[in-house]
Amino acid sequence: AQSVTQLGSHVSVSEGALVLLRCNYSSSVPPYLFWYVQYPNQGLQLLLKYTTGATLVKGINGFEAEFKKSETSFHLTKPSAHMSDAAEYFCAVTRSNDYKLSFGAGTTVTVRA
Amino acid sequence: GAGVSQSPSNKVTEKGKDVELRCDPISGHTALYWYRQSLGQGLEFLIYFQGNSAPDKSGLPSDRFSAERTGGSVSTLTIQRTQQEDSAVYLCASSLGASPATDTQYFGPGTRLTVL
Repeated sequence: AQSVTQLGSHVSVSEGALVLLRCNYSSSVPPYLFWYVQYPNQGLQLLLKYTTGATLVKGINGFEAEFKKSETSFHLTKPSAHMSDAAEYFCAVTRSNDYKLSFGAGTTVTVRA
Repeated sequence: GAGVSQSPSNKVTEKGKDVELRCDPISGHTALYWYRQSLGQGLEFLIYFQGNSAPDKSGLPSDRFSAERTGGSVSTLTIQRTQQEDSAVYLCASSLGASPATDTQYFGPGTRLTVL
């Protein structure tokens, strides 16, 4: 079974500051890892994913994440926060022969002007 | 093109009533998923449809929950004899196929169900 832990249910950053959202996973097999974003009253939108290959993954809206097997982590970063980044972010995991996503509890990001 | 659509966007019902939630997936997507997003449980998988195969119902929380997918397209999630703990946002997603490496799950905006 796979599971995901997101550290911090709420993160507040200043506009222009670094955004860092932490995600740790547990999986008995090589994982596939995802970050989704949910804006108010909208569905989840895929930001980026790691399946195989390069461990630094770039996504939309300037976000990137690095898969670190030794740390079982897949932290999401963005160098400079924008007001439009205020949303809820979910880390998710699955494996190559599965289609079900297991989600973390989510991290709500607020951006201060 | 059009994304995943769900209806209604909001549903308020009384305890004990039955409700039906509808999902229209992206055209041509063979895989369809239902998830539930609730305060206590986070985002959890409910059921999965892939083509003409038997659905994976392993995430349904009780036998009050059922779902069908007609003609490989539209899906309906039915909750019978609703309980207050069923209050949640029900999300539908679809993907072109079922490979997580290549087939992104696209989510609809959800149906917010409130059971009084």
